[in-house]
Amino acid sequence: DTGVSQNPRHKITKRGQNVTFRCDPISEHNRLYWYRQTLGQGPEFLTYFQNEAQLEKSRLLSDRFSAERPKGSFSTLEIQRTEQGDSAMYLCASSRAGETQYFGPGTRLLVL
Amino acid sequence: SQKIEQNSEALNIQEGKTATLTCNYTNYSPAYLQWYRQDPGRGPVFLLLIRENEKEKRKERLKVTFDTTLKQSLFHITASQPADSATYLCALDENTGRRALTFGSGTRLQVQP
Repeated sequence: DTGVSQNPRHKITKRGQNVTFRCDPISEHNRLYWYRQTLGQGPEFLTYFQNEAQLEKSRLLSDRFSAERPKGSFSTLEIQRTEQGDSAMYLCASSRAGETQYFGPGTRLLVL
Repeated sequence: SQKIEQNSEALNIQEGKTATLTCNYTNYSPAYLQWYRQDPGRGPVFLLLIRENEKEKRKERLKVTFDTTLKQSLFHITASQPADSATYLCALDENTGRRALTFGSGTRLQVQP
């Protein structure tokens, strides 16, 4: 396994701009998750895909957030009209049809 | 309300001693519980998973216990080393069909040489 990769690792943007993050899961992992983590807190679940189907979305995922996994491989998370409260680390994880989730290094977003 | 509690204060111990971290939860009935390590600016790294019907799990210097009556998991690192210094997160599944993990806020461990 080459591990979960995320790009970019860091993103600074101005309030109101759109940003998009990419996650490449471990190959053959059919489940992919997005979490958000703020300083001093644990990761909070945002959304989950099984293959290309988005099966669950958290209440945290406002309508400014959208996620896709078009071919059941990589996934993108887009935030439209960013707000300062969106500043956080965005983490992607993947798993087989089991319990253990393997996390990527995260994308740290700073909204000015 | 549902809560997962980990000691918010940092745990400082001397090298060679055993570190014990606590994870308490309320109003959950998880099928399993996991422990992750997280270094600053990095994603969590999976360490151990323990199921509800298991009392104890070991991996090298790590040991996890799971008491579903007390609603508590203990995470032990024996013969601790400065390289063990990190934040340790417990996470559980809600056993409701959700696939997401619910995390505690983590405990920072500092091992002094």
